[in-house]
This record gives sequence, C-alpha cells and structure tokens, in this order.
Amino acid sequence: SQQGEEDPQALSIQEGENATMNCSYKTSINNLQWYRQNSGRGLVHLILIRSNEREKHSGRLRVTLDTSKKSSSLLITASRAADTASYFCATDERGSTLGRLYFGRGTQLTVWP
Amino acid sequence: DGGITQSPKYLFRKEGQNVTLSCEQNLNHDAMYWYRQDPGQGLRLIYYSQIVNDFQKGDIAEGYSVSREKKESFPLTVTSAQKNPTAFYLCASSPRGARGNTEAFFGQGTRLTVV
Repeated sequence: SQQGEEDPQALSIQEGENATMNCSYKTSINNLQWYRQNSGRGLVHLILIRSNEREKHSGRLRVTLDTSKKSSSLLITASRAADTASYFCATDERGSTLGRLYFGRGTQLTVWP
Repeated sequence: DGGITQSPKYLFRKEGQNVTLSCEQNLNHDAMYWYRQDPGQGLRLIYYSQIVNDFQKGDIAEGYSVSREKKESFPLTVTSAQKNPTAFYLCASSPRGARGNTEAFFGQGTRLTVV
C-alpha cells in the first residue's frame, strides 16, 4: 500500500516550543501534502510540496521532502495552544492521473498553554 | 462562499437500514471522494469519481454505493450489507484528477452511528 505513516503517533509540547512530525511513504510520488484536522471536523490543507522540491515554508510551517528516503517532515515553530490538532500527510502516485490521495494515520499534537 | 457541504452532521441508523449521506460542492471541481475515518486508522478511501456519471471503488467499497449524476453532488449510501458502519465519513473534492494539483477540500464530516 502507498499509505503514509506519521511519526510520532502523539506529541505533547508547551506553547512556544517547536513541533516536528515525520511521514514516510512507500512508492514514488508527484507531490506530498500535509493536512490538519481539529477534533470532529474535516481536514484542512496546509501545504503541498512537489517531488522536485526539497523544502517549503508557509508562515510558521516548514516542510522538507527527501525522495531518496521517501520521507517528509513538518515543523511548526513557536507553537500555540490553537495548533492542537491531528496532522496527516497525504501522497499521490507518481505518473497516476487518478488524483487519489493516500493518507497516514496522523500525529495527534497537543500544545499546552 | 465556495465550499463543500456534508449533511447531516450526525446520523443514526437502525440495523438493516440503508442511509444516504449528502455531499455537495460549489467549487466546480471535477473529482470527488468519500473517506471513512475510524479511531487510530486514518482515512480510508471508499469511492471516488473523476467525472460526472463515472466512479471507481476505493479500498473499502463493500457495503457502500455512490452516484455522480451532477458535477456538484456525490451522495454515499451505506447499505445494510456494511456490517460495521459506525464511523466518521468525510467527503472531499479536488480541482482535477490529473497529476499535479491534487489538493483536496474537505467537508465537515458526517458521524454515523448504528443504534
């Protein structure tokens, strides 16, 4: 299966600290995306990184991609209590035109005030 | 406002009943998807559709059915053949099915409970 796997499953930090989540996948991709889900809600797209990119920034988010290791990381800097949520990585399949995404099981991030 | 709307938010089903979950989008997206989310399992793809009047099975299609008669709508029916339907159901759409921009937009979900 192409399904990504996030690590760790759960992460608990204090406000102001940085949070790092990792994602590994199995097959070649066109791009990798990160999504956020608040409890009981839908997913919200955070950032997309293409297979020919190594790093991307968006506000307090920094994403890296290492296609040789088939892995990605999401860094949230200066975390806030409002960042408490589940974070998922999603990949597609290189060369596929089907557009379907494969999601991991997510990392549950808790940021304490 | 453009977006994707799922209804109802909560749904209760008796054993042996079929129920239909609604998903509507006004984003003019070609592709639409249904996912099931169980605790600790992440999102699993049930069905997806790249274009009107066409759809494909995902990884866990057994016990479910869909239709795509309009671009804006992709309803999911949970049939009595689905033995464990209690879950959180998420509908999503994306601009196109081709490789490239596959960013997905999600609805707020429907929580289905069998009583």
